[in-house]
Amino acid sequence: AQSVTQPDIHITVSEGASLELRCNYSYGATPYLFWYVQSPGQGLQLLLKYFSGDTLVQGIKGFEAEFKRSQSSFNLRKPSVHWSDAAEYFCAAQTSYDKVIFGPGTSLSVIP
Amino acid sequence: DVKVTQSSRYLVKRTGEKVFLECVQDMDHENMFWYRQDPGLGLRLIYFSYDVKMKEKGDIPEGYSVSREKKERFSLILESASTNQTSMYLCASIQTRGVGNEQFFGPGTRLTVL
Repeated sequence: AQSVTQPDIHITVSEGASLELRCNYSYGATPYLFWYVQSPGQGLQLLLKYFSGDTLVQGIKGFEAEFKRSQSSFNLRKPSVHWSDAAEYFCAAQTSYDKVIFGPGTSLSVIP
Repeated sequence: DVKVTQSSRYLVKRTGEKVFLECVQDMDHENMFWYRQDPGLGLRLIYFSYDVKMKEKGDIPEGYSVSREKKERFSLILESASTNQTSMYLCASIQTRGVGNEQFFGPGTRLTVL
C-alpha cells in the first residue's frame, strides 16, 4: 500500500544546531514529494517539492531536502535552526492527480 | 497574496447536531479539499471537489458530506456529529488539477463534539 512514514514523532534541537527530519515513502514509482510546515495556529505552508532532476532541492526559510531513490527517502535539512522553526513538519507524496498522502508529521521543538 | 479562510477557528458542538464548516478561497482555484488532522495520523482526505457542484470521496468520507455551490466556497457538513469526529479540520485549494501543484491551506477549525 502507498504510504509515507516519518519515523520521528518529536525532535528537540538547540538553536543554531543542524536539523534533519526523516521521510520515507512506499510507492512503485517516484512520486511527487513535498515538505510542508505547520506553525502553531496556522495552516500548512509548502517548504519545497521534488519530482525529477537534481536530487538536492532548495526551499524557503533556508531548508533543503535530498531525494535518495535507493532508500526511498526524502529527508529535510537545515544547517542552523532558528527558534521560529519550531513547528510541525509534514512530508507528503502525490501519486496521482487527486491523491496526496501525508505522513504523520514530526513536531520540532527548539531550545534557546 | 493567496488566502484560504475558514469560518471558525474553534467550534464546540453536541452529539447529534448538524455541523457546517465553511471554507472560502480568493484565488479562483478550481480544486478544493477537506482534510482532518489527528495526532500521529497526519492529514487524511475526507472529500475534494474539482469544479462547482462536483465532489469526490476521499479516504474517510463516512459521516461527512460536502457542498460546492460557488467556485470559491467549499462546505463540509457533519450530518449528525459524533464524538469520534472531534478533530482539526483543514481546507485546502489548488489552482488546477494536476501533479506537483502546491496546496494552499486555511488555518484550520478545531472541532470538539461533546
